[in-house]
Amino acid sequence: EAQVTQNPRYLITVTGKKLTVTCSQNMNHEYMSWYRQDPGLGLRQIYYSMNVEVTDKGDVPEGYKVSRKEKRNFPLILESPSPNQTSLYFCASSLMNTGELFFGEGSRLTVL
Amino acid sequence: GQNIDQPTEMTATEGAIVQINCTYQTSGFNGLFWYQQHAGEAPTFLSYNVLDGLEEKGRFSSFLSRSKGYSYLLLKELQMKDSASYLCAFKNSGGYQKVTFGTGTKLQVIP
Repeated sequence: EAQVTQNPRYLITVTGKKLTVTCSQNMNHEYMSWYRQDPGLGLRQIYYSMNVEVTDKGDVPEGYKVSRKEKRNFPLILESPSPNQTSLYFCASSLMNTGELFFGEGSRLTVL
Repeated sequence: GQNIDQPTEMTATEGAIVQINCTYQTSGFNGLFWYQQHAGEAPTFLSYNVLDGLEEKGRFSSFLSRSKGYSYLLLKELQMKDSASYLCAFKNSGGYQKVTFGTGTKLQVIP
């Protein structure tokens, strides 16, 4: 089954404790992206990648890192989480020539 | 700059027709998406308009006017399961796949 898989789905952590949210897709998509979704603000892009070893900042990259060592994986790293990073995070992927995004199920992160 | 506007909330009756409008501003435009998002779930793709006009897909239709920076999503024969948020998003022209989302319209279908 074609899908985007994120883990963990739910996480409560404390300020400053490094964490990684994994994202994997099995559709051989070149493009992958991370979004955060907050009430009243919609989906905002954090980072994106157009292919292996090619990543770039989106609209709200501060406090986040990403890597793209393999085509299927695009982890999101929070080196020192803060309460303002409490949010619902979505990973998405697409083929470069279509743009139709396929979303993971989301990861709800709470930073205390 | 870039901007998308859509109503925050709408209410419609089961069996009726509802139109959700979206206006956008961008310097480079390459197409407009509509996504459906049920509460607590991931967005799912509904439609993608590149050219002006109406595209129909079952009970859902999407319209685009590039010159006016305007789109709408038309939902016919509303069902209770259509209660969800509907996200309008445009794809930028250029070398990469930036998709900018609006804040979404929360549609409540009532009996």
